[in-house]
Parts: sequence; structure tokens; C-alpha cells
Amino acid sequence: EVELVESGGGLVQPGRSLRLSCTASGFTFGDKAMTWVRQAPGKGLEWVGFIRSKAYGGTTEYAASVKGRFTISRDDSKSIAYLQMNSLKTEDTAVYYCSRSWGMDYWGQGTLVTVSS
Amino acid sequence: DIVMTQTPLSSSVTLGQPASISCRSSQSLVHSDGTTYLSWLHQRPGQPPRLLIYRISDRNSGVPDRISGSGAGTDFTLQISRVEAEDVGVYYCTQATQFPYTFGQGTKLEIK
Repeated sequence: EVELVESGGGLVQPGRSLRLSCTASGFTFGDKAMTWVRQAPGKGLEWVGFIRSKAYGGTTEYAASVKGRFTISRDDSKSIAYLQMNSLKTEDTAVYYCSRSWGMDYWGQGTLVTVSS
Repeated sequence: DIVMTQTPLSSSVTLGQPASISCRSSQSLVHSDGTTYLSWLHQRPGQPPRLLIYRISDRNSGVPDRISGSGAGTDFTLQISRVEAEDVGVYYCTQATQFPYTFGQGTKLEIK
């Protein structure tokens, strides 16, 4: 059974950093791209970024709103995808979800990030 | 960026009646590989989204056949032939044809 579990969320002050993890199980993690999506309180879904599998270069894509501040990486040996978030802003407050592949066929439960002083 | 526009933004439907949600993209979603990467997601209150439909009309595993997708180019539709209580929540269309991937605003479905 495919499972994705996000962790690492919490309360952080503006300008600080936070790293989220997405631990996967139930499939061959290294074969799949991974996507990060966020949802601000009471709002819709916003695509954050994407990392290809190593077979496709392991390269990344980002939304304009996070480019230069957020970095997605992966450790296929541990089946974990990471979202490193730097220079956090209050508008980054959201539930952050990881999902499998471009098609987002499986989702984690999400982890809440609150950016506030 | 490709803008995804959904209509209506909310809908109240009687149990057993049909429901339909439209999604229009600001440009064609046909990828250079010939595939149209248009998906539909459903999010129940307090839950993460769940993939219903991908590539316009392919149902994800476990999705009942009373839920279907159709369309082409820039105009797409999600149809529920007979609404059940479990269908309440918010529906999103999303495109994965071009980066950045984008979502529609969401359509809230309620039971009348």
C-alpha cells in the first residue's frame, strides 16, 4: 500500500528556515517524481514544485512564488523527498502536502507550517 | 502561466441527481507528446485531496464509474451521474501540461 507521510512543520518566525520531509513507502520511490502542493488556511491548492526521478535527471521545477527560496531534493536510499524552505514569509503559512508523480495519484496527510512572529 | 477557471464555484445538488463542473484553461492543454494532462481532484473537509480523473477521462483506482471526465483542448467537464453523500467537498481541476502546474479555484459541492 502506497503511503506518504509529511513531517517537519511547525511555527517559525518570518525570515527563518524550515525543512519538510516526505517519507514514502509501498512503491519504488526512486522510480517516481514527487510533487509538493500547499494550501493556505481556507484557500485552494497551490502547486509549489516538483522533482523528477534520477532516470530523468532528478531536476526540479518551482512556482514563481517560491523560486529562489525553496529547494526540493530527494534521498532515494531513504525514500524521502525534502522541501527546504528559506526566507519564510507570512504568506507561506499553509498545509504542505507531498504527492506522488506529476499525476499526484497519492497524497500525504499534510503538515502545517505557520510563519508568524 | 496557464489559468484554470472552474464554474460554478459552488453547487447544491439533491441526492441521486446529477452534477457537472466545468473547467476552462487559458490555453490548450495538449502536450507536445499528444497527451492532455488534465486531472480532477476531490477534497473532503479536513482531508487531503484525492485524485479522481487523469488525462481528461481516465479514472483513478477505486473511483466509481458514476464519476466521469470529458473534454478536449481548453474545455473540460467532470460529471457525477448520481450524487451520493460521500461526494460532498471541493473539486479541483489541474493541469500538468506545462510548468508551473496550476489548479482551478475549486468548486464546492453540497447536498441540498
